[in-house]
Amino acid sequence: QKEVEQNSGPLSVPEGAIASLNCTYSDRGSQSFFWYRQYSGKSPELIMSIYSNGDKEDGRFTAQLNKASQYVSLLIRDSQPSDSATYLCAAGGYQKVTFGTGTKLQVIP
Amino acid sequence: DVKVTQSSRYLVKRTGEKVFLECVQDMDHENMFWYRQDPGLGLRLIYFSYDVKMKEKGDIPEGYSVSREKKERFSLILESASTNQTSMYLCASSPSIIRGQVHFGNGTRLTVT
Repeated sequence: QKEVEQNSGPLSVPEGAIASLNCTYSDRGSQSFFWYRQYSGKSPELIMSIYSNGDKEDGRFTAQLNKASQYVSLLIRDSQPSDSATYLCAAGGYQKVTFGTGTKLQVIP
Repeated sequence: DVKVTQSSRYLVKRTGEKVFLECVQDMDHENMFWYRQDPGLGLRLIYFSYDVKMKEKGDIPEGYSVSREKKERFSLILESASTNQTSMYLCASSPSIIRGQVHFGNGTRLTVT
């Protein structure tokens, strides 16, 4: 079982819609959770971090964490073509961060 | 802004060569990491270091070694490069794993022929 699992996609949404990206993790000792965006040929860049249960909003992005269900999600409101990228979920525990394989998002104009 | 600098963007080496990938960070971070990224396999941790001269194996350390003589510098060494080590290599640093963010370098695309 992979430690951090994501649906590889592609997830296609029309411009202006809400994109919903999901992730589950297996290590209950994980204490920090991150969403990274990676454009083709580029390195991942951090877009959201979340440490406690509930929602965290930053602009068009909302991260949600449910530790009981070991579930993390990212909502992107008013999706734009520039949001088209691969989104990596990551879980941080003692000393290291484990990444999922990523979900490819395509926003259709 | 945190800067993680990898010495080469593209590298082509021959099978059997010894390869050095260098990484420098400018934010005094304790933790540094080497990942490789391959299509369909995602980011896989090769080695990490949480202090000078300290190193820990990640998920796929075979065929690699690392060196951290100074806090800001973390080197990945391929002792004898093989074609299955053709990949994108990403260096990263973090102040703290529990609360800190991982910052990535621009990556080195290594091709072993």
